Order: sequence, then C-alpha cells, then structure tokens
Amino acid sequence: DQQVKQNSPSLSVQEGRISILNCDYTNSMFDYFLWYKKYPAEGPTFLISISSIKDKNEDGRFTVFLNKSAKHLSLHIVPSQPGDSAVYFCAANPRFSSARQLTFGSGTQLTVLP
Amino acid sequence: DGGITQSPKYLFRKEGQNVTLSCEQNLNHDAMYWYRQDPGQGLRLIYYSQIVNDFQKGDIAEGYSVSREKKESFPLTVTSAQKNPTAFYLCASRETSGSRDEQFFGPGTRLTVL
Repeated sequence: DQQVKQNSPSLSVQEGRISILNCDYTNSMFDYFLWYKKYPAEGPTFLISISSIKDKNEDGRFTVFLNKSAKHLSLHIVPSQPGDSAVYFCAANPRFSSARQLTFGSGTQLTVLP
Repeated sequence: DGGITQSPKYLFRKEGQNVTLSCEQNLNHDAMYWYRQDPGQGLRLIYYSQIVNDFQKGDIAEGYSVSREKKESFPLTVTSAQKNPTAFYLCASRETSGSRDEQFFGPGTRLTVL
C-alpha cells in the first residue's frame, strides 16, 4: 500500500512557464513533507520542506503548498529552467517517530523544454 | 568539505556472493539510513541507525545486514539471501537543527549481480 503517491510519472513544461508537481498521501500521521530532486546516477538533493503547521513555504523559485484536509501537496517551480529537468520525489515523515524515517513517492520526471 | 561518500560507484558481483557497500559521513550526524531504488520506483528503506551500536530494520531488510561501530560509518552488506539485489543503493544521514529535519544523500552505488 503506497502511503505517498505521485500519480504523474512525467511532466513536460516550456522554459519560463510554471511547473506543478503533485503528491498525495494517505497516512494522517505524516507531519513533515519534503521534496527532493534527483539526477540520473546521483543521490537525491534536498529542495524544500514544509511542516504540517503551515500551508505554504517558499524558497526562491520553489514553493510548496500543503492541503491537509485533502492530504495533498504540490511543488511549484516558477519560472522553470532547463536545469530543473530531473526526477522529483515527494517524501513524508511520521509524527511521533524518533527515527523520522522517510516514506517516498515514486517520483515525477520533469522535463523543461528550451 | 562536509558530505556523504559512498564507494564504489559501480559494483559487479556474481550471484551467491556477499558484497559490502561503504557509506561514510563527516557531517557529525547521529542518524544514518540505507535506501534502495529500483527503476520507476521511489526509495525504499532497508535499515537505519539512530546512534552508534544501534540499528533497526526498515521496510525491506530481508537479505541485508548492517553495522554501526563508528558514528561516521554505516556499511551495508548485501547477502546471498537477497533474492533480487541488482539496484541503486543510497545512503543518507539526517540533520536535525532548529526547525530543520532533512536527510542528506550520498551519490549512490549501483550494484549489478550477474
């Protein structure tokens, strides 16, 4: 049973436009959410995170929105650049877990076209 | 430079052989994690360690073993009992400071069992 779902395996966007990547979760115990970016044959790099006490967090071109009632979060990239082309993973941390092990979605391949 | 190193980057082994993947960090993080990534899937947790001399099984620990004798090191052994060992293996360590709670990943080791 996938607790974190990224239903779009791929997304193509024109350079300069907005990229919107979506993520849904089922476990109401998750209280901290992260987005990672991954290039082929490399480890994921942290992008941005959001705590469940917030509904929005912004860092430069990247904004994450959290809708707790819908158990949905999204990552907005504005404006999109060709260097943003990568696989983006959504991940979640459970409340009351000292180990804070992450549960990952299956990823969305973003391609930004020049 | 602080970071996480994994070696080797590519590893080939014959079926039935045990193999050990190295993971070293100089970030002074207490918690370390091992994940496995298969094509088209997210990262799945194999083992994690919150402190030296302690480790716990993750979601897919069967066929794997770990040790945590030093804070800096968390090697993973893929044993012959692992039925499908060919995958991309990622090691991570976790920073918790203030409001931050992030895992930092190494570059990964691609293991191919022939």
